[in-house]
Amino acid sequence: QKEVEQNSGPLSVPEGAIASLNCTYSDRGSQSFFWYRQYSGKSPELIMFIYSNGDKEDGRFTAQLNKASQYVSLLIRDSQPSDSATYLCAVNNAGGTSYGKLTFGQGTILTVHP
Amino acid sequence: GAVVSQHPSWVICKSGTSVKIECRSLDFQATTMFWYRQFPKQSLMLMATSNEGSKATYEQGVEKDKFLINHASLTLSTLTVTSAHPEDSSFYICSAESAGLEQFFGPGTRLTVL
Repeated sequence: QKEVEQNSGPLSVPEGAIASLNCTYSDRGSQSFFWYRQYSGKSPELIMFIYSNGDKEDGRFTAQLNKASQYVSLLIRDSQPSDSATYLCAVNNAGGTSYGKLTFGQGTILTVHP
Repeated sequence: GAVVSQHPSWVICKSGTSVKIECRSLDFQATTMFWYRQFPKQSLMLMATSNEGSKATYEQGVEKDKFLINHASLTLSTLTVTSAHPEDSSFYICSAESAGLEQFFGPGTRLTVL
């Protein structure tokens, strides 16, 4: 079983719709969870992170964490064609504000079509 | 956000030669730097973690004698791929972390070994 699993997609949504990206992880000791966006040929850029159970909103993005189910998701509201990219879920075991060593999922390809 | 640079951005070399990749944190001091490798259509795989002034910690399966890491200062880490072979062709990405701050990724270096 992979440590961090994502559906590779591709996930295709129409412009303006909500895109829902999911991620599960195997290590119950994981404490910090991150969502990165990666455009083709570029390095990842951080969208947001979440530490606590529940929802965390930042603009059009909402991260949801359920530690009991070992599940973290990312919702993108009002999806735009510019959101088309690969979305990477990453986890680590570092507590507090230390980001530390990240384990990445394989990424989900999102395509937003006009 | 903080800026991390990598040099070169791409390199083509002959099989058997060595290639050095530099990773610099431009506007902050990085206590820890990480080196990742990403093959086409795959996720980032952590190769090693380096702390300034100490030996790097390599992930399982990564040959430390082949991938030499030097973290000589708080703003510079280098990865040298020794005796490179075509199977080492990949996208190499570094990231830098300062205690209490997020992990910032460099733009990546695409290595092609002929």
